[in-house]
Amino acid sequence: AQSVSQHNHHVILSEAASLELGCNYSYGGTVNLFWYVQYPGQHLQLLLKYFSGDPLVKGIKGFEAEFIKSKFSFNLRKPSVQWSDTAEYFCAVTKRTGANNLFFGTGTRLTVIP
Amino acid sequence: DVKVTQSSRYLVKRTGEKVFLECVQDMDHENMFWYRQDPGLGLRLIYFSYDVKMKEKGDIPEGYSVSREKKERFSLILESASTNQTSMYLCASSPGGPASDYEQYFGPGTRLTVT
Repeated sequence: AQSVSQHNHHVILSEAASLELGCNYSYGGTVNLFWYVQYPGQHLQLLLKYFSGDPLVKGIKGFEAEFIKSKFSFNLRKPSVQWSDTAEYFCAVTKRTGANNLFFGTGTRLTVIP
Repeated sequence: DVKVTQSSRYLVKRTGEKVFLECVQDMDHENMFWYRQDPGLGLRLIYFSYDVKMKEKGDIPEGYSVSREKKERFSLILESASTNQTSMYLCASSPGGPASDYEQYFGPGTRLTVT
């Protein structure tokens, strides 16, 4: 069965620190990859997505993610976090064929200390 | 902007009650989804629908049913609510076509407490 692993459950950083959140998936076929973010009290919203092409994807608010096929990974990065990045981050995967089912990781809570 | 709305932000029900959670999207999307979100478990798919009157089971359909009589509306039904269904419920929609190419748009969620 397809699964998505986010190994960091809670990350605490000071402002201006660099961020990297891990995401690994288990499906062997071609996939689409997503990072969603949920700010406190707000809707889940898309941060960035990868379908094909350049494996380094840039998203909103200075986030980027790199797809490494050989490692089944899609890690999220930001060079310098801000207090407003405090949120929960979810990695999600969907197969390129068949149903549009998103498989979500368990989420990583990021707390940025001013 | 795509808007997905859910009928209630907070709901408290008693064990055994029949519960209806409503979701409406205003972008003429073919696909609609119901998830539940629990701490440490992420989001898990309950049911989804690709078209009016069509439904498919997700990963955790037990204890739930759904209804899609109109394209814009997707209802989640708890036939007999139980305490283990206390959770945050999220509705989402996405355009049709090669569905895996499209992001899903989420509603604000309904926090259901079953006592």
